[in-house]
Amino acid sequence: EADIYQTPRYLVIGTGKKITLECSQTMGHDKMYWYQQDPGMELHLIHYSYGVNSTEKGDLSSESTVSRIRTEHFPLTLESARPSHTSQYLCASSESSLSPLFFGQGTRLTVV
Amino acid sequence: GQQLNQSPQSMFIQEGEDVSMNCTSSSIFNTWLWYKQDPGEGPVLLIALYKAGELTSNGRLTAQFGITRKDSFLNISASIPSDVGIYFCAGQGNTGNQFYFGTGTSLTVIP
Repeated sequence: EADIYQTPRYLVIGTGKKITLECSQTMGHDKMYWYQQDPGMELHLIHYSYGVNSTEKGDLSSESTVSRIRTEHFPLTLESARPSHTSQYLCASSESSLSPLFFGQGTRLTVV
Repeated sequence: GQQLNQSPQSMFIQEGEDVSMNCTSSSIFNTWLWYKQDPGEGPVLLIALYKAGELTSNGRLTAQFGITRKDSFLNISASIPSDVGIYFCAGQGNTGNQFYFGTGTSLTVIP
């Protein structure tokens, strides 16, 4: 069982606010990922990291940014939230390139 | 990015029936994963496959890595109400950079 945690689980916030979604894992995994998912739809990769100080953009364009200052922590930030950012954001980690992804419980973001 | 076609999109079955779903890709994959997702939760890993032709079981679940390496199959035997959820496949190519996810199969089990 994977130990990967996301906070908050649910967030309702007004347009224009800055938000940070937290993701932490206690397994020492080098690889971490952020996926965006609309209800019942497929997952789209928006950011990933192969280790400390390494971040890359995924296939789905996103206005969010990420940082990886510590192995266990991979926060995602939206500088100015908009209603179009309303979605579920899922964080995942893996031990290596060939290892499966383990997901957190997700953050359901609603921007009003 | 890469898109995986997953079918069927949804299934409504009676409790006790067996379930089959599959995932196909236009590219060759080296790894196939199967996940189950409950509403409002993150996906939970069910089965991981690493070799063409591999057949792996996890309780009532059985998954296969297709010989062509472009497809994978998941079977659930004797379905129960707690099997309800959305099942996703995910595949990874030889670059090992990222996993691509299928469009999901929504399973409803009628008691």
